[in-house]
Amino acid sequence: DAGVIQSPRHEVTEMGQEVTLRCKPISGHNSLFWYRQTMMRGLELLIYFNNNVPIDDSGMPEDRFSAKMPNASFSTLKIQPSEPRDSAVYFCASQFFGGDTDTQYFGPGTRLTVL
Amino acid sequence: GQSLEQPSEVTAVEGAIVQINCTYQTSGFYGLSWYQQHDGGAPTFLSYNALDGLEETGRFSSFLSRSDSYGYLLLQELQMKDSASYFCAVEDNAGNMLTFGGGTRLMVKP
Repeated sequence: DAGVIQSPRHEVTEMGQEVTLRCKPISGHNSLFWYRQTMMRGLELLIYFNNNVPIDDSGMPEDRFSAKMPNASFSTLKIQPSEPRDSAVYFCASQFFGGDTDTQYFGPGTRLTVL
Repeated sequence: GQSLEQPSEVTAVEGAIVQINCTYQTSGFYGLSWYQQHDGGAPTFLSYNALDGLEETGRFSSFLSRSDSYGYLLLQELQMKDSASYFCAVEDNAGNMLTFGGGTRLMVKP
């Protein structure tokens, strides 16, 4: 398996622009998580899905952030409009919930820089 | 809510043993996980404890005491490649949602 795939790996954009981050979870996994990591705030859970349904989005910082999971193999995290304080590494992780282990598998991350 | 405390930084020499502690205050608790993250990389799973006691995986062991809301990660026979950040994470009663600690940066010196 290729693992969790994220694109793009790096994104540089200007304030006010729309940013879309993409994630393909590991095939067969039924839970998907979006995290944000910064030096100041560490690793924060933004939102997670079980069976493509958003379960908890309490970590989404504000209405500028939205996430979708239209099917079991694809999810997007959108920021519109983007702001410099959104600069961070965004990780997607997937997990098979209900199995013997509770391991989350992280993608390589998207490093976002908003100028 | 959840809060986790772990030291921000630990330094040790090659071949030594190091213990990284984690204390937590949570409204619900299902298990404690440990993840390793090298600079520029993604977190990778190391171990998981749902029950009290020690779990051993090669050079790494993890311990949990639910009554003390405390756990630790033990790294033996340290190698230079073990230099990384180590995160403890609490799984809440929902079963799969993780809250991560701030991470402990381990530096292994020759």
